[in-house]
Parts: sequence; structure tokens; C-alpha cells
Amino acid sequence: GAVVSQHPSRVICKSGTSVKIECRSLDFQATTMFWYRQFPKQSLMLMATSNEGSKATYEQGVEKDKFLINHASLTLSTLTVASAHPEDSSFYICSARFGGGAGDIQYFGAGTRLSVL
Amino acid sequence: GENVEQHPSTLSVQEGDSAVIKCTYSDSASNYFPWYKQELGKGPQLIIDIRSNVGEKKDQRIAVTLNKTAKHFSLHITETQPEDSAVYFCAASKGSNYQLIWGAGTKLIIKP
Repeated sequence: GAVVSQHPSRVICKSGTSVKIECRSLDFQATTMFWYRQFPKQSLMLMATSNEGSKATYEQGVEKDKFLINHASLTLSTLTVASAHPEDSSFYICSARFGGGAGDIQYFGAGTRLSVL
Repeated sequence: GENVEQHPSTLSVQEGDSAVIKCTYSDSASNYFPWYKQELGKGPQLIIDIRSNVGEKKDQRIAVTLNKTAKHFSLHITETQPEDSAVYFCAASKGSNYQLIWGAGTKLIIKP
């Protein structure tokens, strides 16, 4: 399958710090990338859909000023957690949509564990 | 909107036996059904998927069946091995915005 690289894998930061997470599609171009948040023992919760060159579409209840998404190229999307607080601690996962004839396939990064002290 | 229900939440099987996980969806317009395996602390890994124009798909020990009339699809794992232990998620999509609607997940435990 296609490869999606996500960095960093783990972040520990102080409250008030901004944290940037990168998501790269290594061997394909991704016009659409998705950002998810996952709480322990729960399913994936879609936070936003990111399309290259346009503003991200956020799901209801997700603060766009808190979770800043930039999809500047066909292979890179970034999620910045602005002024992180302990309640932002979670597992964040990105995915990239593999297009072409099979437009629905999403390949996932390894996830980023964010711990805000 | 679309809703995906997944059962069971936990499944424990003896090594070598088969495991079956079932999902039902609500939106008849859904046409793509992937299954993901997630190991602890890692991102989901696509293991198999099926589209609405196919009733069954198989890849070695893994198979997926789809019943469009009943709006349910199932994951079958045969000859289970310890490395099959993980959480499995089903999902559904209708392609209009490529968003996946996720099931709640099934924790599969393979007993040695």
C-alpha cells in the first residue's frame, strides 16, 4: 500500500505551547488529507478534511483557531495545535486519500501522541 | 447521516480458529467498505476493502463479504495467529466527500 509519514510520533510539551504535526504522502500525491483524533479505546473522530490549496473543512465542534491546518502541497499537510492545554492531550492521526481509479482509499500515518503538561 | 454499527466489541478466539466481525450501515448510497487493523499506539492499517459492485473479496487468510440488501458486511479471518491480535475497525463511505464513517472497533484477542 501507499506510505504516509507522520511526525513527530510523540510530543510532550508545557501548557501554552503550540505544537506542529506533519503528515506526508511519500509515494503518491494526495489532494485530500484528513486529520483525526482518537481517545483511548475509542474509534477515530474526524476533525477536519484538508484539500490542497484551499481552506480545511472542520467538523462540528472542532475549533479552527485551535487546530490550524495547512495543506500547502500535494504531499504535505500540517496540523498545529495552538496554545495547547492538557485537555488537548490525545492521539492525533492523519490520513491521505489515494486517488486515481480508487478514489476512496485512505492510508494512515502512524499517529502522534500529544501529552500536554 | 450514515451510521455504522460494529459487533462484537471484543472477540476472543483460540489460535488457529476463525474470527468473524460484523458491521451494518444505514445509508444505502454507501459504496466503499474498508477494514483497518490498529495495533496499540499505531495508526490504522488497511487490510482489505470491498466496493458495492462486489459481494466477496479474499486476500489469503482474510476475506470480506458484503450484503447490500441487508446493508451489512463482515470480516473473516481464518487460521488466526497471535499477530492478528489488534483492534479492527470497519468503515463506510459513499464517495461524495471521501469521508469514512467508522464503526466502534472490535478488540480481537488470539489465545495461544
